[in-house]
Amino acid sequence: GEDVEQSLFLSVREGDSSVINCTYTDSSSTYLYWYKQEPGAGLQLLTYIFSNMDMKQDQRLTVLLNKKDKHLSLRIADTQTGDSAIYFCAERGSSASKIIFGSGTRLSIRP
Amino acid sequence: GAVVSQHPSRVICKSGTSVKIECRSLDFQATTMFWYRQFPKQSLMLMATSNEGSKATYEQGVEKDKFLINHASLTLSTLTVTSAHPEDSSFYICSAHHVGQGALGGYTFGSGTRLTVV
Repeated sequence: GEDVEQSLFLSVREGDSSVINCTYTDSSSTYLYWYKQEPGAGLQLLTYIFSNMDMKQDQRLTVLLNKKDKHLSLRIADTQTGDSAIYFCAERGSSASKIIFGSGTRLSIRP
Repeated sequence: GAVVSQHPSRVICKSGTSVKIECRSLDFQATTMFWYRQFPKQSLMLMATSNEGSKATYEQGVEKDKFLINHASLTLSTLTVTSAHPEDSSFYICSAHHVGQGALGGYTFGSGTRLTVV
């Protein structure tokens, strides 16, 4: 079945770049997503990438996709305290409308 | 932009009672809505997929008689936790799929409901 994996924690210094990594198993994934969840809140879609793309950049966010290795990353440039949250990687296969989530990476910012 | 309203945001109920959670799409029609459950410090686990006008599709291991899902209109889906027990305490989040947008950011999440069963 489908599986999405992420490391659980990441700590970066304010102003540095954060890189959150994700691997997935479904070779038929069509869309891959990054969601942000702040404490006690729902999920906010940050960005997505279609499976035939290698890279997508949106302001401070850069998504890299290595389809061969089934590896997705999210880079946040100039990380700020407001970026503290849990970041979920998610994928959608071609044959289903449901989204499968990774375990989430808790990003903490140190001064 | 697309907005999904989920109510209540927090609920405390006694063991054995039932709780209903509503998920509304405010400015779009959602033929498909999803219900997720999130345990503390864990990921979102899909419970069921709800299609307007038909029976929900439950994921393996989710008791359909315990978690009743109704999707009677294109803008409203409800999840009822029946005969709730303390182990049902969790964060429940709904998601609505926008008609016509495919997967192009076409999933909007509600703000979640924190259920505590005492």
